[in-house]
Amino acid sequence: SYVLTQPPSVSVAPGKTATITCEGNNIGDKNVHWYQQKPGQAPVLVVFDNSDRPSGIPERLSGSNSGYTATLTISRVEAADEADYYCQVWDSTSDHFVFGIGTKVTVL
Amino acid sequence: EVQVMESGGGLVKPGGSLRLSCAASGFTFSSYSLTWVRQAPGKGLEWVASIIAGGGYIYYADSVKGRFTISRDDARNSGSLQMNSLRGEDTAVYYCQSRYEIFDYWGQGTLVTVSS
Repeated sequence: SYVLTQPPSVSVAPGKTATITCEGNNIGDKNVHWYQQKPGQAPVLVVFDNSDRPSGIPERLSGSNSGYTATLTISRVEAADEADYYCQVWDSTSDHFVFGIGTKVTVL
Repeated sequence: EVQVMESGGGLVKPGGSLRLSCAASGFTFSSYSLTWVRQAPGKGLEWVASIIAGGGYIYYADSVKGRFTISRDDARNSGSLQMNSLRGEDTAVYYCQSRYEIFDYWGQGTLVTVSS
């Protein structure tokens, strides 16, 4: 089955840039979606199809995808960005959605 | 106003059954795919099942295939997840997700606890 690998945690100071990676076999050939989840809340889609943002998501959040790594970048990090972030793909080989394990972003 | 609301969670014994419901409003539900995602306590997100708009395609995670059944009723703007032969590892908050292109709506989840 297809596996997505994310770092369990990332720490970043306010105003700096957080980079969250999501690794998978030839993930560059797939569309990657990113979800943000705060404690006690439902997930929120923040990036879809590798780099597009739903309305209402700030431009500070951006995505890219190439080769074996997809990346979610949060620029000018704010306290409100503290959350768990999950990458997701559709694996057409197994006809399954797959989530990464999630990355906890801590704002120092 | 867009709303997605799950119901039907609760405490059930191992081997038992439970039916979760998902009620949607404020958008054209029939155009959206319907997915159930669960989250065990303190754990990450796990995809459970999806049914595409029109109901022609249905997909299940290996962990629930043969035990869970996803369905939708577009006339009632609702969906459901029938869960049979429940196990302890099925204990989780179950979220209903409706997705169409850039539009993505989630409910607040319903807790299913499988325990004797």
